[in-house]
Amino acid sequence: DTAVSQTPKYLVTQMGNDKSIKCEQNLGHDTMYWYKQDSKKFLKIMFSYNNKELIINETVPNRFSPKSPDKAHLNLHINSLELGDSAVYFCASSRQGETQYFGPGTRLLVL
Amino acid sequence: GESVGLHLPTLSVQEGDNSIINCAYSNSASDYFIWYKQESGKGPQFIIDIRSNMDKRQGQRVTVLLNKTVKHLSLQIAATQPGDSAVYFCAENFAGNNRKLIWGLGTSLAVNP
Repeated sequence: DTAVSQTPKYLVTQMGNDKSIKCEQNLGHDTMYWYKQDSKKFLKIMFSYNNKELIINETVPNRFSPKSPDKAHLNLHINSLELGDSAVYFCASSRQGETQYFGPGTRLLVL
Repeated sequence: GESVGLHLPTLSVQEGDNSIINCAYSNSASDYFIWYKQESGKGPQFIIDIRSNMDKRQGQRVTVLLNKTVKHLSLQIAATQPGDSAVYFCAENFAGNNRKLIWGLGTSLAVNP
């Protein structure tokens, strides 16, 4: 299937832990994104990479570090998790400037 | 950038009726507009888009209208079905902004059988 995939789908962890979320797209897109969606469904862009280069870096704590090993992958590492990090994290991809296609989301719960 | 204190607008319609979801966009330089549908437990899914050189575009059961004068976008869904129940987002995009989408808050559509 051609799609944007994320792992894991659910992530429950303790405060202070470090965790990673992975994203892969096989759509041949050159741009990938990470979004955070809060409990009120507000979608906030966090990062965007174009051809492995960081092009959008919103005001996000530096505990969040994206890594793009190649154009098809964009991972998100989070250090020292806090309660407020609990949210749904979506990966998306697009050709630059065109429609973004979203993954199924990773539901993060920090206890 | 958080939505603290804001509530997701809700539109409730009867099955078979037409639905109209409205969106006020923020930037007069925006030249590309997109509607997304997000079903419960899933990621946002592209529905339809429109460029600023058009004022109307039709898809299957959906129509997007763009009024640049008042910076208003609407999504019309004909003969609304239970499967249309979801949160709908409008997003705007313009060159010179790293092509970063600016997202609306979303509208929850509830279809009553």
